[in-house]
Amino acid sequence: DTEVTQTPKHLVMGMTNKKSLKCEQHMGHRAMYWYKQKAKKPPELMFVYSYEKLSINESVPSRFSPECPNSSLLNLHLHALQPEDSALYLCASSQSPPQYGNTEAFFGQGTRLTVV
Amino acid sequence: DAKTTQPNSMESNEEEPVHLPCNHSTISGTDYIHWYRQLPSQGPEYVIHGLTSNVNNRMASLAIAEDRKSSTLILHRATLRDAAVYYCILIDTNAGKSTFGDGTTLTVKP
Repeated sequence: DTEVTQTPKHLVMGMTNKKSLKCEQHMGHRAMYWYKQKAKKPPELMFVYSYEKLSINESVPSRFSPECPNSSLLNLHLHALQPEDSALYLCASSQSPPQYGNTEAFFGQGTRLTVV
Repeated sequence: DAKTTQPNSMESNEEEPVHLPCNHSTISGTDYIHWYRQLPSQGPEYVIHGLTSNVNNRMASLAIAEDRKSSTLILHRATLRDAAVYYCILIDTNAGKSTFGDGTTLTVKP
């Protein structure tokens, strides 16, 4: 199983809603990532978890709250988002943390988020 | 953070080799060079990576300049399924994070 599964595939939420994005992998990977991708732009790193601990937060606004309940699961909790937060949110995992450099990342297909 | 520069777009004919360049003149000695590609409506897919030496795998080859300030991804025989956005990425092993370039959109003509 070399899949990273993201749910839901599509999400529409109002600016006052609270929602969560979910990411799951069963490859025994010890690093997991959240990226944000706007249309026709490259993915931008948001968060990195290494061994279930948050190791990188790229100055992401607090309305995005990551959580890693165990080594297979990664959540992104969303609250009070703005329309400009509409984007494709990608989850990825790798066997080793990025400090090793020598490890490939597996990406999910993403959640297409629309904030209205 | 070290940055990568790639041409915005390139075209190739089917079954011909494709050379996709990437400039990373501010690369540090501990940065790894990774390439990923992204097909429409999909997440990025790993292609290849290297540190100093040239690398080959079943998908592609990676040629790294001796001074490491540039690299080239080589697809030996392009197929229509290779049409995608190709990203050159530096993995900063000190900071533990990656920086995507803007990507090259590859069009493959039959």
